[in-house]
Amino acid sequence: EAQVTQNPRYLITVTGKKLTVTCSQNMNHEYMSWYRQDPGLGLRQIYYSMNVEVTDKGDVPEGYKVSRKEKRNFPLILESPSPNQTSLYFCASSSTKGLAGELFFGEGSRLTVL
Amino acid sequence: AQSVTQLDSQVPVFEEAPVELRCNYSSSVSVYLFWYVQYPNQGLQLLLKYLSGSTLVKGINGFEAEFNKSQTSFHLRKPSVHISDTAEYFCAVSRFISNFGNEKLTFGTGTRLTIIP
Repeated sequence: EAQVTQNPRYLITVTGKKLTVTCSQNMNHEYMSWYRQDPGLGLRQIYYSMNVEVTDKGDVPEGYKVSRKEKRNFPLILESPSPNQTSLYFCASSSTKGLAGELFFGEGSRLTVL
Repeated sequence: AQSVTQLDSQVPVFEEAPVELRCNYSSSVSVYLFWYVQYPNQGLQLLLKYLSGSTLVKGINGFEAEFNKSQTSFHLRKPSVHISDTAEYFCAVSRFISNFGNEKLTFGTGTRLTIIP
């Protein structure tokens, strides 16, 4: 089954404790992206990757890091989480560079930073 | 730059009634337009998209949308809604740059559709 898998789905952590949210897709997609969803703000892009070893900032990259060492994986790293990073995070992938194609989303990771 | 405006944050509709969810965009160049749906506790999934050609686009679950270039709108419609249509709906725009590189997808803030039995 074609899917984007995120882990963990739910996480409560404390300020400053490094964490990683993993994302893996089994569709051989080149394009992958991270979004955060906040009430009243919709989805905002954090980082995206056009291919292995190619990443770029989205609209709200501050406080986040990413890496793309393999085509299927695109982890999101919070080096020193803060309460304003409490949010619902989505990973997505697509097969087309021009985004004429469909974005496939994971089920989301709800992060709470105390 | 491009932006997407969804004027209604919440839309309550009686079951079997028609619904229209509004979306307006701003862009100085040609765009691709999308509607995504998010059911409770799930990720987003594509409902329909406009790339070119016919301005009336049909999607899954009986939804359709009409691209209106002069009004820069891409409103989503369904003639008769069902309880299962309860979800959040996101309009999105991607700027077309002729397959060169990538342009990020910009999402609207979402419209929560609630179906009243």
